[in-house]
Amino acid sequence: AQSVTQLGSHVSVSEGALVLLRCNYSSSVPPYLFWYVQYPNQGLQLLLKYTTGATLVKGINGFEAEFKKSETSFHLTKPSAHMSDAAEYFCAVSDVWGAQKLVFGQGTRLTINP
Amino acid sequence: GAVVSQHPSRVICKSGTSVKIECRSLDFQATTMFWYRQFPKQSLMLMATSNEGSKATYEQGVEKDKFLINHASLTLSTLTVTSAHPEDSSFYICSASGDLAGGLSGTQYFGPGTRLTVL
Repeated sequence: AQSVTQLGSHVSVSEGALVLLRCNYSSSVPPYLFWYVQYPNQGLQLLLKYTTGATLVKGINGFEAEFKKSETSFHLTKPSAHMSDAAEYFCAVSDVWGAQKLVFGQGTRLTINP
Repeated sequence: GAVVSQHPSRVICKSGTSVKIECRSLDFQATTMFWYRQFPKQSLMLMATSNEGSKATYEQGVEKDKFLINHASLTLSTLTVTSAHPEDSSFYICSASGDLAGGLSGTQYFGPGTRLTVL
């Protein structure tokens, strides 16, 4: 069975500082990995995804994530935080490409301090 | 592209009544749709997966007779909460995935969610 662990339910950074949200996964097969962002009372928006190929994936809004198989990690980063980045972030894993169900982590709430 | 809508965005109903939530893919054909439930400050829990024209597949612990899912077309899926009770109050989110054979990605695109409050 697959699982996702997001380390830190709440992360707080200053505006302009580096954002690092941690995600570790467990999967018996090569995983497909996703990061989604959720703003209050809204659905989820896809930030980026890893399927195959290049392990450093760039997404929207300046975010990127690196797939590290040896560490079973897919951490999300952004060099300089903006106030508008404040939201809930979910890491998810799927074991089959193509409309198969996602397993979500518990989420990390990102707060940006002015 | 890949826009998913949900209606209504908020609904308040009395205990014992039924509520229907619609999920539509606006600019692509969704061969598969998913329904999730999210409690406050928690992650998304998959309730069921539906393929167009087929019966939905429910996750363990989800009552199929209480949460009726219909996926009658490639752009519409509905979730009906029957005989709703206060414990059914939650944020319900759908997602849709397109036809890979048609050149669309396997990524799930999420709707904005529906806040259900049962009094």
